[in-house]
Amino acid sequence: KAGVTQTPRYLIKTRGQQVTLSCSPISGHRSVSWYQQTPGQGLQFLFEYFSETQRNKGNFPGRFSGRQFSNSRSEMNVSTLELGDSALYLCASFTDRGGTEAFFGQGTRLTVV
Amino acid sequence: GEDVEQSLFLSVREGDSSVINCTYTDSSSTYLYWYKQEPGAGLQLLTYIFSNMDMKQDQRLTVLLNKKDKHLSLRIADTQTGDSAIYFCAESVYSSASKIIFGSGTRLSIRP
Repeated sequence: KAGVTQTPRYLIKTRGQQVTLSCSPISGHRSVSWYQQTPGQGLQFLFEYFSETQRNKGNFPGRFSGRQFSNSRSEMNVSTLELGDSALYLCASFTDRGGTEAFFGQGTRLTVV
Repeated sequence: GEDVEQSLFLSVREGDSSVINCTYTDSSSTYLYWYKQEPGAGLQLLTYIFSNMDMKQDQRLTVLLNKKDKHLSLRIADTQTGDSAIYFCAESVYSSASKIIFGSGTRLSIRP
């Protein structure tokens, strides 16, 4: 079965712009969570969604938002981009409300210039 | 609070065992994980252990959990060059098992 698909794989944006990243979980998975990976801060939790509801949010400013659709696909949006938002954004798909196995996508590499 | 700590680097000789250590602070952690990340790649789940277990073995991998000390370790037997990667220790709690807290990662390098 297909894995977690994140699009696009690479993105270059300028400061002040906004960006939308997409994550399609494994078929049948209803939980999705997002992470930001940077050399300085490591892997940090952004959001967690289950059945279109945000269950948890990490310690990020309001410029970071997300949503989940009825087909479990999820998007995250970052508005008013800053240089520090440059990172690898990873999405994870879970079997139910969470569980033991998280399947990660390849990530979206965002560069803000 | 939630915090996971691990050392940043480890160098071992090919064929030796590698032991990567991790400490965590959240006593309500239910699942403890080890992930592997190779350059340019996403995260690969290597193994996990429930907090009510002490040990788990899976081929060359052995995970030991000391719940009293909140200490987790990953032992890789007969380390090979293909094991070169960054290894992340991580935890989650049952009530929110899809929120995973990661350590900073340990870069494992293999010398001939």
